Amino acid sequence: DAKTTQPNSMESNEEEPVHLPCNHSTISGTDYIHWYRQLPSQGPEYVIHGLTSNVNNRMASLAIAEDRKSSTLILHRATLRDAAVYYCIPLSASGSRLTFGEGTQLTVNP
Amino acid sequence: DGGITQSPKYLFRKEGQNVTLSCEQNLNHDAMYWYRQDPGQGLRLIYYSQIVNDFQKGDIAEGYSVSREKKESFPLTVTSAQKNPTAFYLCASKMFELNTEAFFGQGTRLTVV
Repeated sequence: DAKTTQPNSMESNEEEPVHLPCNHSTISGTDYIHWYRQLPSQGPEYVIHGLTSNVNNRMASLAIAEDRKSSTLILHRATLRDAAVYYCIPLSASGSRLTFGEGTQLTVNP
Repeated sequence: DGGITQSPKYLFRKEGQNVTLSCEQNLNHDAMYWYRQDPGQGLRLIYYSQIVNDFQKGDIAEGYSVSREKKESFPLTVTSAQKNPTAFYLCASKMFELNTEAFFGQGTRLTVV
């Protein structure tokens, strides 16, 4: 499994953009990069995923570095409901193993 | 509605007893997973299964057992051999393909007294 490094915590103000970084320098060429988030006392929920090019959906954008060793999850306008732990997960083609790191705790200030 | 269901939400057991946590999905997903989460920590993989009648150990399988007799069901048994079973347990499922998302249940909070 590719290893990931994320900051333990980040803080943002409401309605401001948030950039959540993830380092995955050992990722292989066929690994997809998935992001999930977990609100308190709930199961994680899917946010976005990508392979090489940048991706957008209704929740967020994913910017993937050209060398694929890092990626950034972008929340364009943070809301209080976005306060959660965000996990970056490289998903390997070698199996369906889905493992989580410690993630980044995002705090959104009103 | 399609989804993944864990039951019960809260479970209390006495020390030394085995307990089985239920996980059912009607999404026709191939793979299913069990995780353990301790307060303030990330999710740790216990077991996962890619097809019926087959499963693999995750990072912390000791003291746990699973079965996958049906595609829709992946029950987890916390045995008396698990030294510290009190935790939040999460089940997930997804299709094989790498570009598909995983769906999670709402979790079972197990307390062993």
